[in-house]
Amino acid sequence: GDSVTQMEGPVTLSEEAFLTINCTYTATGYPSLFWYVQYPGEGLQLLLKATKADDKGSNKGFEATYRKETTSFHLEKGSVQVSDSAVYFCALINTGGFKTIFGAGTRLFVKA
Amino acid sequence: DADVTQTPRNRITKTGKRIMLECSQTKGHDRMYWYRQDPGLGLRLIYYSFDVKDINKGEISDGYSVSRQAQAKFSLSLESAIPNQTALYFCATSDTSPGTSSGANVLTFGAGSRLTVL
Repeated sequence: GDSVTQMEGPVTLSEEAFLTINCTYTATGYPSLFWYVQYPGEGLQLLLKATKADDKGSNKGFEATYRKETTSFHLEKGSVQVSDSAVYFCALINTGGFKTIFGAGTRLFVKA
Repeated sequence: DADVTQTPRNRITKTGKRIMLECSQTKGHDRMYWYRQDPGLGLRLIYYSFDVKDINKGEISDGYSVSRQAQAKFSLSLESAIPNQTALYFCATSDTSPGTSSGANVLTFGAGSRLTVL
């Protein structure tokens, strides 16, 4: 079945460092891909999405490109801030599907 | 007010007790979901509902039941709570119909209900 694998955390970075969180997926057909973020004490919220191959999703300085040839959707940010400390979830849903499949989540700590 | 409201936010109970977690939404979405979050496991789907008359089991429905009282309300019950049901529970909504080719099915989440079963 469909699945999402993302790098284990926690990831600890200093402020202004470059961030990459790897995400790969297994799916039949042509899924839509997402990154959700969960700040402490809150529910998940959509960070960005991409619906077809080579699309780039971006929001709040974060970017991810839908790479069908490598089945990947890695999250990147050029300069992280303390306020980016959160848990990041990669997810997919297949065309015509109704069930969002989540990765295990990667916790990010950013030190001042 | 939040788009998706969950109550209670925190609950501690004992083994064997019946527990109900409630969810209400003001998004006007047809679809509602209950997920469970455990450390290192991500989110797992318990139940989902496409409308008031449509209830479906997710991947981990054993030990849980749900009720869709209205389009805006979807409650999750644990008939006889056990310690391994200790987790963070999330309600979510979405509005994309099945089979659509118009794009992604974005979920809107509540803030979560933390349940501890002793």
